[in-house]
Amino acid sequence: GAGVSQSPRYKVAKRGQDVALRCDPISGHVSLFWYQQALGQGPEFLTYFQNEAQLDKSGLPSDRFFAERPEGSVSTLKIQRTQQEDSAVYLCASSKRARDGELFFGEGSRLTVL
Amino acid sequence: AQSVTQLDSQVPVFEEAPVELRCNYSSSVSVYLFWYVQYPNQGLQLLLKYLSGSTLVKGINGFEAEFNKSQTSFHLRKPSVHISDTAEYFCAVSHSGAGSYQLTFGKGTKLSVIP
Repeated sequence: GAGVSQSPRYKVAKRGQDVALRCDPISGHVSLFWYQQALGQGPEFLTYFQNEAQLDKSGLPSDRFFAERPEGSVSTLKIQRTQQEDSAVYLCASSKRARDGELFFGEGSRLTVL
Repeated sequence: AQSVTQLDSQVPVFEEAPVELRCNYSSSVSVYLFWYVQYPNQGLQLLLKYLSGSTLVKGINGFEAEFNKSQTSFHLRKPSVHISDTAEYFCAVSHSGAGSYQLTFGKGTKLSVIP
């Protein structure tokens, strides 16, 4: 498709379950970002890839969070042993160039942990 | 580190009236500034950006913003709003040096246009 595609759009998990969220960026976009948006808050940076290299993971809140982009295209954000505080919308964005701020966002994956 | 403050969480305005959405930032280094818009059930979309040059920047859908370095502000304006402008607006900042890919967002302002 023409835009950034994320799946699933909605995910309900029981506390302690592992979840995987997928992002399919715009074709040809070398930069890929994950952001977390809690209810009533703005998006917060999680991690950044340039092609398959994860250049910055400073925003990942704990070692339960793991992201990968093995072939420089599709990316997966994995959350192990989910906790209630992980409930949020997870946004994926891609861009041709990382530095000019023109990110193209997907619609997000809303995670609810019960 | 930088931060962004959007002073108004909700702004109701009548159709065809002007609107200003306020954004202030804090940073110890030079910054790039952005406004993103999120329409209902859609992803965030870039509205406009300031990287350098003229402090008045024009974006899509008739919006404009002015970078004021002395007041550390980047307020968004539109002279006459339409129903279709109803959305949530996010101001964001990045620093202009290494690591400038990382955006820091404000909490957002929900603009409701009243017919």
